[in-house]
Amino acid sequence: AQSVTQPDIHITVSEGASLELRCNYSYGATPYLFWYVQSPGQGLQLLLKYFSGDTLVQGIKGFEAEFKRSQSSFNLRKPSVHWSDAAEYFCAVAATGGFKTIFGAGTRLFVKA
Amino acid sequence: EAGVVQSPRYKIIEKKQPVAFWCNPISGHNTLYWYLQNLGQGPELLIRYENEEAVDDSQLPKDRFSAERLKGVDSTLKIQPAELGDSAVYLCASSPDRGGELFFGEGSRLTVL
Repeated sequence: AQSVTQPDIHITVSEGASLELRCNYSYGATPYLFWYVQSPGQGLQLLLKYFSGDTLVQGIKGFEAEFKRSQSSFNLRKPSVHWSDAAEYFCAVAATGGFKTIFGAGTRLFVKA
Repeated sequence: EAGVVQSPRYKIIEKKQPVAFWCNPISGHNTLYWYLQNLGQGPELLIRYENEEAVDDSQLPKDRFSAERLKGVDSTLKIQPAELGDSAVYLCASSPDRGGELFFGEGSRLTVL
């Protein structure tokens, strides 16, 4: 069965600094991979997704993620964090065909001035 | 285009009382999901519908939870009777196809006293 691990419960970065959020997955084949963001009191919004092809994917709000098959990872990055990026970030995996999306426990991002 | 609409946003009830949540997905989205999100956790799938058929309800506690999606559009999730441990956010999501992006509503936050 597929699973997702986000090792960092929370991360604090300074505004303008770079960001990397870690995500590791477990699945027997190449899954569909996603990053979602959730602001307080809101639903989840898709940042980016990987299905196949180029392993570096670009998303909204200046985020990108890189799929590394050898490491079973799909880390999220942003070169310069803005205060408005403070939120909860969820990595998710779906089996090929996407019948069931499994979410990680999330990483809460704090941004300090 | 209107997003996924959920109601109520907040509900406070006493244990053993019934509660119901309603979801209106994005028009044309055949797949509808109900997720449970506990505090500090990622969403966990309760049930998935393809049109009006519940195709994955393996995680739905059927002794107290029930769901329906009449006419393959709106959906209702019911808990009867509610327990203290049911306090959580209930998220509805829809998707135009399998394996793609999930579009989430803002959620219904349940507090059981």
